[in-house]
Amino acid sequence: AQSVTQLDSHVSVSEGTPVLLRCNYSSSYSPSLFWYVQHPNKGLQLLLKYTSAATLVKGINGFEAEFKKSETSFHLTKPSAHMSDAAEYFCVVNTNAGKSTFGDGTTLTVKP
Amino acid sequence: KAGVTQTPRYLIKTRGQQVTLSCSPISGHRSVSWYQQTPGQGLQFLFEYFSETQRNKGNFPGRFSGRQFSNSRSEMNVSTLELGDSALYLCASSWGLAGARSYNEQFFGPGTRLTVL
Repeated sequence: AQSVTQLDSHVSVSEGTPVLLRCNYSSSYSPSLFWYVQHPNKGLQLLLKYTSAATLVKGINGFEAEFKKSETSFHLTKPSAHMSDAAEYFCVVNTNAGKSTFGDGTTLTVKP
Repeated sequence: KAGVTQTPRYLIKTRGQQVTLSCSPISGHRSVSWYQQTPGQGLQFLFEYFSETQRNKGNFPGRFSGRQFSNSRSEMNVSTLELGDSALYLCASSWGLAGARSYNEQFFGPGTRLTVL
């Protein structure tokens, strides 16, 4: 069975400081992994996806994530937070089971 | 290319009524998935349709149903509404099966906010 755990339900950073949102996954097969962002009262938007071509994946708006098979992790990072990054972030895993499994989400707050 | 559209955007119903929500996927996308989002339960998968067939189903009661038409547009129906059905219902489309290992990304609509009184 597949599962995904977002280790922090809330993360608060100051504008201009680094962002780290943590995601661990469990999968019997080699997974495909995604990070989505949801701004208030909006649908989800894809930030980046892991396709096995490279372990370090670059996404939109300066975000990137590193796939670490030994640690079963896919943490999302950004060097410098902007106020506009305040949103909810979801880590998602797909496997051969044919279903997408979403994490519980991490709410990112950015303080001025 | 137009994005995923959902209608209506907001809906208010009373307990016991039924409701139908509509989703138009991105042109060329054959998969439509539905999700329920609530503050307490987070984002939960309802079902996925591909080429007019339900391919996957989440753990929801039979009051929740859906269908997909030949043009890939999809509807979901909730009968005998309960207060706990109040939620944001999100639709997502993808080119292939959303959960497959072909790394299909899902494109989400803005959602329909359902309030049950």
